[in-house]
Amino acid sequence: DAKTTQPPSMDCAEGRAANLPCNHSTISGNEYVYWYRQIHSQGPQYIIHGLKNNETNEMASLIITEDRKSSTLILPHATLRDTAVYYCIVIGKSSGDKLTFGTGTRLAVRP
Amino acid sequence: GAVVSQHPSWVICKSGTSVKIECRSLDFQATTMFWYRQFPKQSLMLMATSNEGSKATYEQGVEKDKFLINHASLTLSTLTVTSAHPEDSSFYICSAGTLYNEQFFGPGTRLTVL
Repeated sequence: DAKTTQPPSMDCAEGRAANLPCNHSTISGNEYVYWYRQIHSQGPQYIIHGLKNNETNEMASLIITEDRKSSTLILPHATLRDTAVYYCIVIGKSSGDKLTFGTGTRLAVRP
Repeated sequence: GAVVSQHPSWVICKSGTSVKIECRSLDFQATTMFWYRQFPKQSLMLMATSNEGSKATYEQGVEKDKFLINHASLTLSTLTVTSAHPEDSSFYICSAGTLYNEQFFGPGTRLTVL
């Protein structure tokens, strides 16, 4: 299964957009990109996923590059409650439908 | 959205005792449930995958005789930590659902073994 690389930490100001990058250069054609986040001492929360097209929902937008080797999760107007660890996960049949969590990006939203 | 609950949310037990953690999908049926463990300041590590009505599949390095998993119905899976020791103290999280849809996570159970 494809591995992902994320910066260990980022911060942004409240009300501004938070752009979280993820590299997945070994992704294969049938693998999806999923994003989850984990607020301290809670279970992970699903955010969004995509295959090759950009996706948007009520929580975030996902931008996937044309070669699919990287993606960016965008929180359009970050709030203090968005402070969490964000995980980018690549998943497909080759990984047996299992989520493999890396170290993620710790996002701190500043007041 | 779909809700997954865990019980208890936290538990403290003496070394050598067994602890059972329940994971329930409240408003949907889950054919597959996953159990994870998370040590402080570390990421989630998958322990095992359980399918309703069949034996769980354990990840490498996870002792199946120590971490007993039962998935007797489409809405309930249990994890029993047998003969718990202080090194088993951790945050245990379950998830339910199928991939390619969202995988729904429970709130986690914090186990402390004295």
